[in-house]
Amino acid sequence: QVQLVQSGPEVRKSGASVKVSCKASGYTFSTYYIHWVRQAPGQRLEWMGIINPSGGSIKYAQKFQGRVTMTRDTSTSTVYMELSSLRSEDTAVYYCARGERPSITMIVVGPDAFDIWGQGTMVTVSS
Amino acid sequence: EIVLTQSPGTLSLSPGKRATLSCRASQSVSSNYLAWYQQKRGQAPRLLIYGASSRATGIPGRFSGSGSGTDFTLTISRLEPEDFAVYYCQQYGTSPGSFGQGTKVEIK
Repeated sequence: QVQLVQSGPEVRKSGASVKVSCKASGYTFSTYYIHWVRQAPGQRLEWMGIINPSGGSIKYAQKFQGRVTMTRDTSTSTVYMELSSLRSEDTAVYYCARGERPSITMIVVGPDAFDIWGQGTMVTVSS
Repeated sequence: EIVLTQSPGTLSLSPGKRATLSCRASQSVSSNYLAWYQQKRGQAPRLLIYGASSRATGIPGRFSGSGSGTDFTLTISRLEPEDFAVYYCQQYGTSPGSFGQGTKVEIK
């Protein structure tokens, strides 16, 4: 079945970096964008950015520009999200999610509805 | 950034009743790119509705979405026990997109 499987929970100190993986299966990896969304305790869900698994298009939400890097490995159908200069406010569950619209239909690269979600990765930042 | 405000914050209803959830945007949602999600404790959100009124794959017919511009509604025609959860709206017509604060549907 179509699924996204994420890496396990992480604990980091303030100022460190974390890299979360998201492995896709059950569909053609290159045909849908992958997004990253986070959910901090007591906060709204927050879109972080988008990556085209077939290469080329990457867009980050302005809030995370300079701190987030999204990459992909087509040989393993895996995308990665690395967040640097961590602070306590980055403590959250991080989700990868597949965009609902096939990438070929996306005229503008940006947020989408998310039809498949990973199980989430808890990242805890301690001072 | 477009701010989405959901109401009510909590909806207390009995199984079999009709639930009506509201999502209001601070400005018009482009192309009615408005989605609804259901989230249960400890789980990822689940897409219910996209494009304001299109049901996602596998979603039961008791879930329906309506609205346009700045006012949107999610209706659950008859609540089943598994429908008690938190519901979020999301607009994805204007980057960076945004989510509402959620409506909790609880058993009365």
